[in-house]
Amino acid sequence: DTEVTQTPKHLVMGMTNKKSLKCEQHMGHRAMYWYKQKAKKPPELMFVYSYEKLSINESVPSRFSPECPNSSLLNLHLHALQPEDSALYLCASSQVWGQSPLHFGNGTRLTVT
Amino acid sequence: DAKTTQPPSMDCAEGRAANLPCNHSTISGNEYVYWYRQIHSQGPQYIIHGLKNNETNEMASLIITEDRKSSTLILPHATLRDTAVYYCIVRVAGAQKLVFGQGTRLTINP
Repeated sequence: DTEVTQTPKHLVMGMTNKKSLKCEQHMGHRAMYWYKQKAKKPPELMFVYSYEKLSINESVPSRFSPECPNSSLLNLHLHALQPEDSALYLCASSQVWGQSPLHFGNGTRLTVT
Repeated sequence: DAKTTQPPSMDCAEGRAANLPCNHSTISGNEYVYWYRQIHSQGPQYIIHGLKNNETNEMASLIITEDRKSSTLILPHATLRDTAVYYCIVRVAGAQKLVFGQGTRLTINP
């Protein structure tokens, strides 16, 4: 079991759909992260939120839109995705930005058809 | 952050100690060595980290050479559940990003 909960576990969406990934933690952490992981590759950082403010955007295409409505929740809104965006999307949190350990959820496996 | 080099894969017998090496020859004085692992179909899991001294916790031991150019993660009594990809990461305290390398795929054999 992980203390970072991601929903849904699996998602299949068409290229014209709009969907959202959700991440929740109740450890009081003030930094939250989105990573993307393609098959047999290491996770790659997408976004970092610190105290609910976007602190890092790793040049992610605008079809991915993050949102941090409060310190416990992190969303990733998806729109007009491409098949190459199919991947495992991992959420993580840490007590504060720049400090480890990062606590990861088990991810949402996204398939874009 | 300094680059790390890990063997792509290793095997270990169940019940034996698994020793995973990591080279970080360009590490600077304020960079920590972190280890994470990722079991299949799960998110990465933090294992241990250290700066200069050897460290031990309930999961593993971390041995860092005196010149800090390499380190070894030791799983003292490997079980089948330790089969995973192990990532060695070098990171400055307060660094903005945690960047994963390719890691070592460790297979524990019965």
